[in-house]
Amino acid sequence: EAGVAQSPRYKIIEKRQSVAFWCNPISGHATLYWYQQILGQGPKLLIQFQNNGVVDDSQLPKDRFSAERLKGVDSTLKIQPAKLEDSAVYLCASRGTGGAYEQYFGPGTRLTVT
Amino acid sequence: QKEVEQDPGPLSVPEGAIVSLNCTYSNSAFQYFMWYRQYSRKGPELLMYTYSSGNKEDGRFTAQVDKSSKYISLFIRDSQPSDSATYLCAMSYNQAGTALIFGKGTTLSVSS
Repeated sequence: EAGVAQSPRYKIIEKRQSVAFWCNPISGHATLYWYQQILGQGPKLLIQFQNNGVVDDSQLPKDRFSAERLKGVDSTLKIQPAKLEDSAVYLCASRGTGGAYEQYFGPGTRLTVT
Repeated sequence: QKEVEQDPGPLSVPEGAIVSLNCTYSNSAFQYFMWYRQYSRKGPELLMYTYSSGNKEDGRFTAQVDKSSKYISLFIRDSQPSDSATYLCAMSYNQAGTALIFGKGTTLSVSS
């Protein structure tokens, strides 16, 4: 079974530029999560989708971050405009019908904002 | 006070040592407790999960949960250099797929 795929793996941009990340979850997984992991911290949820609907986006900075999951499969996370404090690893995870613990993470996209 | 506290280390041990990793938490509503391992430049991978209080063993790994003290532990026996990674504790309120609340992670280095 293929794992969660993410691209790009690395991205360097200047502040105030925009950037987009892509995630392809494990086939058949209805729940998709985007987490932000700042260096030295644990992952923090940004947004959770169930199929193509948003379940929780309470911690998403909506003035600059947006996310969508068209057709309930792939998802994109966008930042516009980026700030220095957005430098982090952006992790995508997916879950099938198992419990909350059965979240499978992708390798992440490491974003550096200069 | 953060919901989940975890000493970031780093923790350095010789090969074969017993390692103890710990987290404390403040919210008594947490029911599911997980340990993830994260190698450098990789995503977290689930090691073990425990529901409510008690112990769970899987090979060289043992997870313990003490809900009365709001304290969870992961023990690694006969540690190997391949165990060198960051260990993240995570917690969830329910089984319904809500997002996980993570600790900061403890960086472990096992020397041969």
